[in-house]
Amino acid sequence: LAKTTQPISMDSYEGQEVNITCSHNNIATNDYITWYQQFPSQGPRFIIQGYKTKVTNEVASLFIPADRKSSTLSLPRVSLSDTAVYYCLVGDEEGNTPLVFGKGTRLSVIA
Amino acid sequence: EAQVTQNPRYLITVTGKKLTVTCSQNMNHEYMSWYRQDPGLGLRQIYYSMNVEVTDKGDVPEGYKVSRKEKRNFPLILESPSPNQTSLYFCASSSARRDTEAFFGQGTRLTVV
Repeated sequence: LAKTTQPISMDSYEGQEVNITCSHNNIATNDYITWYQQFPSQGPRFIIQGYKTKVTNEVASLFIPADRKSSTLSLPRVSLSDTAVYYCLVGDEEGNTPLVFGKGTRLSVIA
Repeated sequence: EAQVTQNPRYLITVTGKKLTVTCSQNMNHEYMSWYRQDPGLGLRQIYYSMNVEVTDKGDVPEGYKVSRKEKRNFPLILESPSPNQTSLYFCASSSARRDTEAFFGQGTRLTVV
């Protein structure tokens, strides 16, 4: 099971782009990288997922370098409502590994 | 609508009184799991199930039991709750494939006095 490492916390001002990097040195060939967002007292919700290169959706972008040993979640022009905990997970497509969340990165957006 | 439903949302109980937190999903997902969340400790996995009648321990299984008799239900059982099990609990489900997203319930805030 690939272990992930993220910063414990980050601060940002409103309107800035925020990049949260996750390290997963032991990622396996079949592993996908998935990011979740969690607001206080709510369950995590899916943000974005990727396997390699770059993925973009209406909420965020995910950058994955060629060696796949890290990934960066990019949130464009954050607002106060983006204040949350962000989790990076790694797991293979066949689902042979349990969904393990770490402590995540607590993002605080300041006005 | 895709849903994971947990009940109850809030529960206050006394030490030693058996309780069950129910979790049900309507997406025909194979994978279900339970987590507890405590301040500063992130989401810690209690038990997970890859399919009916298949369950495995997560990182913090002590004091908990689960069963998976039907695909849609995955109850969490505390046979003899203790105050250190006071926590916020989440149930999740997903397809067996990891290239799909997981869905979480609304959470159950449990207080054991």
